[in-house]
Amino acid sequence: EIVLTQSPGTLSLSPGERATLSCRASQSVSSSYLAWYQQKPGQAPRLLIFGASSRATGIPDRFSGSGSETDFTLTISRLEPEDFAVYYCQQYGSSLWTFGQGTKVEIK
Amino acid sequence: EVQLVQSGAEVKKPGESLKISCKGSGYTFPTYWIGWVRQMPGKGLEWMGVIYPGDSDTRYSPSFQGQVTISADKSISTAYLQWSSLKASDTAMYYCARSPAGIAAPGSRSFDIWGQGTMVTVSS
Repeated sequence: EIVLTQSPGTLSLSPGERATLSCRASQSVSSSYLAWYQQKPGQAPRLLIFGASSRATGIPDRFSGSGSETDFTLTISRLEPEDFAVYYCQQYGSSLWTFGQGTKVEIK
Repeated sequence: EVQLVQSGAEVKKPGESLKISCKGSGYTFPTYWIGWVRQMPGKGLEWMGVIYPGDSDTRYSPSFQGQVTISADKSISTAYLQWSSLKASDTAMYYCARSPAGIAAPGSRSFDIWGQGTMVTVSS
């Protein structure tokens, strides 16, 4: 089973700053099957990025994804007030799906 | 509108059985995976398993194999998550989510549509 490790656990930033979130896999992941989600308190998760770098419908272009094999990154170019939330990466491989433990982006 | 609508919150006692549901609409239900995801209070997302309603192909996370049963009735566009004997540690929010099935489909194996969640509380 592939384990996803996200870092940092918490990121404290101000609106307008750039956020860089990391997702590291215990073994190689197909880029086609790496996704990122945003979850706000009391809400269901929302798909942001699929296929490592493709934005889902309606996702602003300040969100971007990159990476390959075992190292993936979610970048938020300029944080808006509504971007403060928890972010999860997720992968599929060998008939199993797994999520990372999450990174909380909080207001500094 | 494409949506997944889950059944309402449940309060149960340890040892009781439970079946919660997830009804899809606005798309061809049998042709997408439906996954179930657990979120314990204050914790992260845990993938439990998925089902392909078209042929009932079901996969489980090793952590949840034997602990829950996932099923679907494609005739009514509904997937289910079931426990035979609940424990206090099953207290959590449970989400269903849709995943495109085709290997080459955009967003394949991601979860693009989510239900609103079903809160399950198990307490004596």
